[in-house]
Amino acid sequence: GQQLNQSPQSMFIQEGEDVSMNCTSSSIFNTWLWYKQDPGEGPVLLIALYKAGELTSNGRLTAQFGITRKDSFLNISASIPSDVGIYFCAGFSNDYKLSFGAGTTVTVRA
Amino acid sequence: GAVVSQHPSRVICKSGTSVKIECRSLDFQATTMFWYRQFPKQSLMLMATSNEGSKATYEQGVEKDKFLINHASLTLSTLTVTSAHPEDSSFYICSARAKGQGNEQFFGPGTRLTVL
Repeated sequence: GQQLNQSPQSMFIQEGEDVSMNCTSSSIFNTWLWYKQDPGEGPVLLIALYKAGELTSNGRLTAQFGITRKDSFLNISASIPSDVGIYFCAGFSNDYKLSFGAGTTVTVRA
Repeated sequence: GAVVSQHPSRVICKSGTSVKIECRSLDFQATTMFWYRQFPKQSLMLMATSNEGSKATYEQGVEKDKFLINHASLTLSTLTVTSAHPEDSSFYICSARAKGQGNEQFFGPGTRLTVL
């Protein structure tokens, strides 16, 4: 798989704040995916992006597929305590293997 | 739909023993299943890809004789960690790709392996 650079590595946020995280790659990706993983569980797909420039929402989550096809971001609006967890970006490049970013750990302060 | 289960969810074993982990697609046929390993505070690393009825393809650095993968049916893949050692302790996660559904992978809940 390809290497994805995800940032920030972790964040502490106040309940109600908006959260933003992003991923970049050195190569072009055909699909960008954002997952959330709770402790001791497998990752759950939040949003899938298939076209450059695509902006997709899922409730309070919004993600975009970068125009260059080498980056993506995820925004969480009005965070709540259950948003705690680890968020991973992932994607498919030309080798069709799913590569994962290192994850962003989100902790919400009530 | 698209539910993937893993069994067991947790296993503790002695060093030198072998452990089998099952991955099942409950409501769809999975032509391809993937096995990932995740160490604490790290990302998921692909170990191998298995296609039903054929030999698994292992990623570089993953020993195929140590991590035996069998994908005997369209709904079941197994990962056997042979002669497990403490450094094999990890969270093992499988995913499955549905027949005719493109590249999307559906992940299982993971298996926590602890080798004493």
